[in-house]
Amino acid sequence: ELKVEQNPLFLSMQEGKNYTIYCNYSTTSDRLYWYRQDPGKSLESLFVLLSNGAVKQEGRLMASLDTKARLSTLHITAAVHDLSATYFCAVAHRDNYGQNFVFGPGTRLSVLP
Amino acid sequence: SQTIHQWPATLVQPVGSPLSLECTVEGTSNPNLYWYRQAAGRGLQLLFYSVGIGQISSEVPQNLSASRPQDRQFILSSKKLLLSDSGFYLCAARRQGKTEAFFGQGTRLTVV
Repeated sequence: ELKVEQNPLFLSMQEGKNYTIYCNYSTTSDRLYWYRQDPGKSLESLFVLLSNGAVKQEGRLMASLDTKARLSTLHITAAVHDLSATYFCAVAHRDNYGQNFVFGPGTRLSVLP
Repeated sequence: SQTIHQWPATLVQPVGSPLSLECTVEGTSNPNLYWYRQAAGRGLQLLFYSVGIGQISSEVPQNLSASRPQDRQFILSSKKLLLSDSGFYLCAARRQGKTEAFFGQGTRLTVV
């Protein structure tokens, strides 16, 4: 059974600081996704990582994937208040029926002024 | 581009009442469709997913069911709601041949 873990689950940081969120998964997968969720809202796709060593950047967020370590990171550079949200990683999982996505528990980020 | 419609946006239902949540997808054909539930302050739990009309995979035993009567329509149902069915229900779709899944705006269900 595929398990996806994230750490930390809660993160409070000051504006201007850097931090990294980690996503570990238990079985082989070469597709990893990062989503953002604002309170009471749906999920917004941030990054799709499709191969070992993939790195993608958008603004102050940068995501990377190490399939050998089964680890993805989401790095936040010089955080601003607008980045406050819950961040989920998800791993693609293929079974006999088809493909689904298993989500981590989420990291709730609060950026304080 | 694909658009995912979910309704209603919010719903308050008494225990024991039936449920029907609808999700429709525009802009793509033969998508993979998914129902997720998110309890308050928690992560996403996959409930059902479908790779085609009438083809439903159930991930978690429960009093919910799903149906896909048309290619771009996915319905989540219950005959009798429980208090524990409260949560935020999200429909997602993934285009064939594409890797990414996109989510609808969600339905917030409160069972009282």
